[in-house]
Amino acid sequence: GESVGLHLPTLSVQEGDNSIINCAYSNSASDYFIWYKQESGKGPQFIIDIRSNMDKRQGQRVTVLLNKTVKHLSLQIAATQPGDSAVYFCAENSLTGGGNKLTFGTGTQLKVEL
Amino acid sequence: EAGVTQSPTHLIKTRGQQATLRCSPISGHTSVYWYQQALGLGLQFLLWYDEGEERNRGNFPPRFSGRQFPNYSSELNVNALELEDSALYLCATQQGFLAKNIQYFGAGTRLSVL
Repeated sequence: GESVGLHLPTLSVQEGDNSIINCAYSNSASDYFIWYKQESGKGPQFIIDIRSNMDKRQGQRVTVLLNKTVKHLSLQIAATQPGDSAVYFCAENSLTGGGNKLTFGTGTQLKVEL
Repeated sequence: EAGVTQSPTHLIKTRGQQATLRCSPISGHTSVYWYQQALGLGLQFLLWYDEGEERNRGNFPPRFSGRQFPNYSSELNVNALELEDSALYLCATQQGFLAKNIQYFGAGTRLSVL
Protein backbone atom coordinates (compact mmCIF):
# COMPACT_ATOMS: atom_id res chain seq x y z
CA GLY A 1 0.00 0.00 0.00
CA GLU A 2 0.96 3.65 0.04
CA SER A 3 3.51 4.72 2.57
CA VAL A 4 5.77 7.62 3.19
CA GLY A 5 8.66 7.07 5.54
CA LEU A 6 11.62 8.93 6.95
CA HIS A 7 15.09 7.48 7.38
CA LEU A 8 16.09 9.22 10.62
CA PRO A 9 13.89 10.17 13.55
CA THR A 10 16.32 12.79 14.95
CA LEU A 11 18.91 14.99 13.28
CA SER A 12 21.27 17.22 15.23
CA VAL A 13 23.25 19.91 13.44
CA GLN A 14 25.43 22.84 14.42
CA GLU A 15 24.13 26.31 13.83
CA GLY A 16 25.30 27.51 10.45
CA ASP A 17 25.70 24.05 8.97
CA ASN A 18 23.50 22.67 6.23
CA SER A 19 20.80 20.15 7.13
CA ILE A 20 19.53 17.33 4.96
CA ILE A 21 16.34 15.52 5.85
CA ASN A 22 15.46 12.45 3.84
CA CYS A 23 12.20 10.77 2.98
CA ALA A 24 11.27 7.60 1.09
CA TYR A 25 7.93 6.99 -0.56
CA SER A 26 6.36 3.98 -2.21
CA ASN A 27 3.54 5.32 -4.39
CA SER A 28 5.01 5.98 -7.80
CA ALA A 29 1.69 7.50 -8.93
CA SER A 30 1.88 10.45 -6.51
CA ASP A 31 1.15 13.86 -7.98
CA TYR A 32 3.36 15.91 -5.78
CA PHE A 33 5.17 16.09 -2.48
CA ILE A 34 5.18 18.61 0.30
CA TRP A 35 7.44 19.40 3.22
CA TYR A 36 5.92 20.74 6.41
CA LYS A 37 7.56 22.08 9.55
CA GLN A 38 5.87 21.64 12.90
CA GLU A 39 7.06 23.56 15.92
CA SER A 40 6.05 22.55 19.39
CA GLY A 41 2.42 23.41 20.11
CA LYS A 42 1.68 24.49 16.58
CA GLY A 43 0.16 22.99 13.49
CA PRO A 44 2.29 21.99 10.50
CA GLN A 45 3.51 24.90 8.43
CA PHE A 46 4.04 24.59 4.68
CA ILE A 47 7.67 24.91 3.62
CA ILE A 48 7.95 23.88 0.01
CA ASP A 49 6.41 21.50 -2.50
CA ILE A 50 7.49 19.81 -5.68
CA ARG A 51 5.54 18.32 -8.55
CA SER A 52 6.25 14.81 -9.73
CA ASN A 53 7.50 16.16 -13.09
CA MET A 54 10.29 18.11 -11.38
CA ASP A 55 13.64 17.03 -9.90
CA LYS A 56 14.53 20.09 -7.88
CA ARG A 57 12.92 23.16 -6.47
CA GLN A 58 14.46 25.94 -4.46
CA GLY A 59 12.99 28.30 -1.94
CA GLN A 60 14.45 30.67 0.59
CA ARG A 61 17.29 28.69 2.24
CA VAL A 62 15.52 25.44 1.37
CA THR A 63 15.85 23.07 -1.54
CA VAL A 64 13.80 19.97 -2.23
CA LEU A 65 15.17 17.20 -4.39
CA LEU A 66 13.07 14.44 -5.89
CA ASN A 67 14.54 11.21 -7.22
CA LYS A 68 11.71 9.28 -8.80
CA THR A 69 13.96 6.39 -9.79
CA VAL A 70 14.58 5.41 -6.18
CA LYS A 71 11.45 7.11 -4.79
CA HIS A 72 13.40 9.42 -2.56
CA LEU A 73 12.77 12.97 -1.44
CA SER A 74 15.06 15.25 0.51
CA LEU A 75 14.86 18.66 2.12
CA GLN A 76 18.03 20.69 2.35
CA ILE A 77 18.21 23.65 4.71
CA ALA A 78 21.14 26.00 4.19
CA ALA A 79 22.85 27.75 7.10
CA THR A 80 20.61 26.13 9.70
CA GLN A 81 19.40 28.49 12.40
CA PRO A 82 18.01 27.86 15.90
CA GLY A 83 14.57 28.80 14.59
CA ASP A 84 14.74 25.82 12.27
CA SER A 85 14.46 23.47 15.22
CA ALA A 86 11.20 21.57 14.70
CA VAL A 87 9.76 18.32 13.42
CA TYR A 88 9.81 18.07 9.65
CA PHE A 89 7.29 15.97 7.77
CA CYS A 90 7.27 14.96 4.18
CA ALA A 91 3.85 14.28 2.72
CA GLU A 92 2.61 12.73 -0.44
CA ASN A 93 -0.47 14.05 -2.18
CA SER A 94 -2.35 11.35 -3.98
CA LEU A 95 -5.52 11.58 -6.00
CA THR A 96 -5.95 7.81 -6.14
CA GLY A 97 -8.60 6.06 -4.12
CA GLY A 98 -11.23 8.67 -4.76
CA GLY A 99 -9.83 11.38 -2.60
CA ASN A 100 -7.31 14.12 -2.18
CA LYS A 101 -5.45 13.49 1.03
CA LEU A 102 -1.97 13.90 2.40
CA THR A 103 -0.09 10.81 3.50
CA PHE A 104 2.50 11.85 6.06
CA GLY A 105 5.69 10.27 7.23
CA THR A 106 6.36 9.97 10.95
CA GLY A 107 8.57 13.05 11.00
CA THR A 108 12.20 13.95 11.69
CA GLN A 109 13.13 16.02 14.72
CA LEU A 110 15.72 18.61 13.75
CA LYS A 111 17.78 19.96 16.64
CA VAL A 112 20.06 22.91 16.07
CA GLU A 113 22.98 23.13 18.47
CA LEU A 114 24.55 26.48 19.23
CA GLU B 1 -5.64 37.44 6.47
CA ALA B 2 -6.77 35.11 9.24
CA GLY B 3 -5.43 31.59 9.15
CA VAL B 4 -7.19 28.35 9.95
CA THR B 5 -8.70 28.55 13.41
CA GLN B 6 -9.62 25.61 15.59
CA SER B 7 -11.54 25.46 18.85
CA PRO B 8 -11.27 24.59 21.58
CA THR B 9 -7.51 24.54 22.08
CA HIS B 10 -7.79 21.83 24.70
CA LEU B 11 -10.59 19.43 25.48
CA ILE B 12 -10.79 16.99 28.36
CA LYS B 13 -13.37 14.23 28.28
CA THR B 14 -13.96 10.92 29.98
CA ARG B 15 -14.29 7.58 28.29
CA GLY B 16 -17.68 7.06 26.66
CA GLN B 17 -18.42 10.77 26.24
CA GLN B 18 -18.71 12.66 22.97
CA ALA B 19 -16.35 15.36 21.74
CA THR B 20 -17.02 18.10 19.19
CA LEU B 21 -14.14 19.95 17.57
CA ARG B 22 -14.52 22.95 15.30
CA CYS B 23 -12.59 24.41 12.41
CA SER B 24 -12.92 27.69 10.53
CA PRO B 25 -11.16 27.82 7.17
CA ILE B 26 -9.16 30.54 5.54
CA SER B 27 -11.44 32.82 3.56
CA GLY B 28 -11.98 31.39 0.10
CA HIS B 29 -11.06 27.83 1.06
CA THR B 30 -13.76 25.27 0.38
CA SER B 31 -12.05 22.01 1.31
CA VAL B 32 -11.53 20.95 4.90
CA TYR B 33 -9.40 18.02 6.03
CA TRP B 34 -9.16 16.48 9.48
CA TYR B 35 -6.09 14.64 10.74
CA GLN B 36 -5.27 12.85 13.97
CA GLN B 37 -1.79 13.17 15.40
CA ALA B 38 -1.18 10.79 18.27
CA LEU B 39 1.77 11.52 20.54
CA GLY B 40 5.05 10.81 18.80
CA LEU B 41 3.37 9.74 15.60
CA GLY B 42 2.73 11.25 12.22
CA LEU B 43 -0.53 12.66 10.98
CA GLN B 44 -3.24 10.20 10.06
CA PHE B 45 -5.91 11.29 7.60
CA LEU B 46 -9.42 11.22 9.07
CA LEU B 47 -11.93 13.00 6.83
CA TRP B 48 -12.18 15.31 3.86
CA TYR B 49 -15.08 17.67 3.18
CA ASP B 50 -15.63 19.79 0.14
CA GLU B 51 -18.66 21.90 -0.72
CA GLY B 52 -20.57 20.47 2.20
CA GLU B 53 -20.07 16.83 1.26
CA GLU B 54 -17.87 14.13 2.75
CA ARG B 55 -15.48 13.22 -0.07
CA ASN B 56 -13.19 10.68 1.56
CA ARG B 57 -12.40 9.18 4.93
CA GLY B 58 -9.43 7.39 6.41
CA ASN B 59 -9.25 4.10 8.29
CA PHE B 60 -11.17 5.21 11.33
CA PRO B 61 -14.34 3.73 12.85
CA PRO B 62 -17.77 5.28 12.17
CA ARG B 63 -17.83 6.93 15.59
CA PHE B 64 -15.56 9.53 13.98
CA SER B 65 -17.82 11.74 11.92
CA GLY B 66 -18.25 15.31 10.94
CA ARG B 67 -19.90 17.81 8.72
CA GLN B 68 -19.23 20.96 6.76
CA PHE B 69 -21.49 23.96 6.99
CA PRO B 70 -22.56 26.35 4.19
CA ASN B 71 -19.88 28.82 5.31
CA TYR B 72 -17.30 26.00 4.82
CA SER B 73 -16.51 25.69 8.51
CA SER B 74 -16.48 22.16 9.83
CA GLU B 75 -17.08 20.05 12.91
CA LEU B 76 -15.48 16.79 13.87
CA ASN B 77 -17.49 14.61 16.23
CA VAL B 78 -16.06 11.68 18.12
CA ASN B 79 -18.62 9.49 19.86
CA ALA B 80 -18.09 6.89 22.58
CA LEU B 81 -14.62 8.20 23.35
CA GLU B 82 -11.88 5.72 24.06
CA LEU B 83 -8.57 6.31 25.81
CA GLU B 84 -6.65 5.86 22.56
CA ASP B 85 -8.55 8.76 21.02
CA SER B 86 -6.32 11.08 23.03
CA ALA B 87 -4.39 13.02 20.40
CA LEU B 88 -3.91 16.33 18.66
CA TYR B 89 -6.62 16.81 16.04
CA LEU B 90 -5.58 19.02 13.19
CA CYS B 91 -7.73 20.71 10.62
CA ALA B 92 -6.35 21.80 7.27
CA THR B 93 -8.09 23.80 4.59
CA GLN B 94 -7.45 24.15 0.91
CA GLN B 95 -8.61 26.36 -1.92
CA GLY B 96 -10.43 23.80 -4.05
CA PHE B 97 -9.13 20.26 -4.09
CA LEU B 98 -6.60 20.11 -6.90
CA ALA B 99 -3.42 18.36 -5.95
CA LYS B 100 -1.31 21.46 -6.50
CA ASN B 101 -3.19 23.42 -3.90
CA ILE B 102 -1.53 23.60 -0.54
CA GLN B 103 -3.25 22.50 2.66
CA TYR B 104 -2.92 25.03 5.46
CA PHE B 105 -3.17 23.79 9.01
CA GLY B 106 -4.63 25.17 12.18
CA ALA B 107 -2.90 24.85 15.55
CA GLY B 108 -5.06 21.89 16.50
CA THR B 109 -7.25 20.76 19.37
CA ARG B 110 -5.60 18.67 22.04
CA LEU B 111 -8.12 16.03 23.11
CA SER B 112 -7.45 14.16 26.33
CA VAL B 113 -9.65 11.20 27.22
CA LEU B 114 -9.48 10.17 30.86
